[in-house]
Amino acid sequence: DIQMTQSPSSLSASVGDRVTITCRASQSISNYLNWYQQKPEKAPKLLIHGASKLESGVPSRFSGSGSGTDFTLTISSLQPDDFATYYCQQSYDTPSITFGQGTRLDIK
Amino acid sequence: QVQLVESGGGLVKPGGSLRLSCAASGFTFSDYYMSWVRQPPGMGLEWVSYISSSGSTIYYAGSVKGRFAISRDNAKNSLYLQMNSLRAEDTAVYYCARMSGRDFDSWGQGTLVTVSS
Repeated sequence: DIQMTQSPSSLSASVGDRVTITCRASQSISNYLNWYQQKPEKAPKLLIHGASKLESGVPSRFSGSGSGTDFTLTISSLQPDDFATYYCQQSYDTPSITFGQGTRLDIK
Repeated sequence: QVQLVESGGGLVKPGGSLRLSCAASGFTFSDYYMSWVRQPPGMGLEWVSYISSSGSTIYYAGSVKGRFAISRDNAKNSLYLQMNSLRAEDTAVYYCARMSGRDFDSWGQGTLVTVSS
């Protein structure tokens, strides 16, 4: 299975900050990379698919980039609603779909 | 709007069985692949299984292969997960998720399965 490693595992930031989360695949996955946001006791929500395509309804402060093995999720100006846990997920090696371990984003 | 509602979770003893259901509405269920994804308490997400729109193609994660069985009834807009030989490590919230291409674009609220004696 392809291993997905996110960094950092957690970070603290303030409203208005620019935040970047990194996801690295153990082998090339082209652009088959998706990002999800999960709030406590809630289901995950798809933010970005295909590494950089914003899901409908997701604010434009979210962006994704990368290809091959290295990917980033950037939030350009943190809002109070953005404090959550973020997961990357590879869909290159379907059906062996794998997620990163998650990055918890807390208020500083 | 898309709605996925899971049911059937609960407390079960190791070695026991449980059947989860997911009722879908707000979209043409028979057009979409569907998946189960689970999340142990306080931990990350793990894909469990998916089934093609017609039900003809099915895949499982290695951790559940041979013990779990996914199925669907397109006439009832429902997805199922039959879980047998349950182990403590199967304890998790189980989510039903719609697949759009290669991502999970809609999720249910989840149902908790606890395997404990």
